[in-house]
Amino acid sequence: AQTVTQSQPEMSVQEAETVTLSCTYDTSENNYYLFWYKQPPSRQMILVIRQEAYKQQNATENRFSVNFQKAAKSFSLKISDSQLGDTAMYFCAVTRGGADGLTFGKGTHLIIQP
Amino acid sequence: DTEVTQTPKHLVMGMTNKKSLKCEQHMGHRAMYWYKQKAKKPPELMFVYSYEKLSINESVPSRFSPECPNSSLLNLHLHALQPEDSALYLCASSQAARWVEGYTFGSGTRLTVV
Repeated sequence: AQTVTQSQPEMSVQEAETVTLSCTYDTSENNYYLFWYKQPPSRQMILVIRQEAYKQQNATENRFSVNFQKAAKSFSLKISDSQLGDTAMYFCAVTRGGADGLTFGKGTHLIIQP
Repeated sequence: DTEVTQTPKHLVMGMTNKKSLKCEQHMGHRAMYWYKQKAKKPPELMFVYSYEKLSINESVPSRFSPECPNSSLLNLHLHALQPEDSALYLCASSQAARWVEGYTFGSGTRLTVV
């Protein structure tokens, strides 16, 4: 079984600031896949960034980057130059693949203040 | 087409009604998923179809009946639901064997059982 822990239920930062959301996970698999999903009030789940566990290099997507520490089983998300449109629930998720589906953390509600 | 389309967007049904939720994708994804999401909670996996065959049933009550008529279509048949089944029902799809690509989610059906 896999578990995901997000220890920050809610965070609030000013527009243009940098914010880091934390995520730790537990899995017995040697290879697995990690994701951050964003869910704005519209409820659409949007893929933000993804990482294969066997790849050492941290993934980046424009203003979004991750700090993947495999030994510590940590997968934090950094949002640079935060924008009002970044306000949403952010879920960290893991899967071993094989059409197992995603295991989600409880989420972090991120609020970007003008 | 890079979308997962769910219909209807909203559904109100009585406890004696029979209704169905529909999910459609034309991305050639061969794995499709149903998730249930209660307010302020992460999505919980219900069912997984892989190559049109049911591969995972997460001990979901029999009042929920999934169906995958073809590789593009996923249905969830509902019968004799309880008020606690009121939730957002999310459909997702993914490439089989390319798990790093992540999962594409629909915008969900918000179900209210009265």
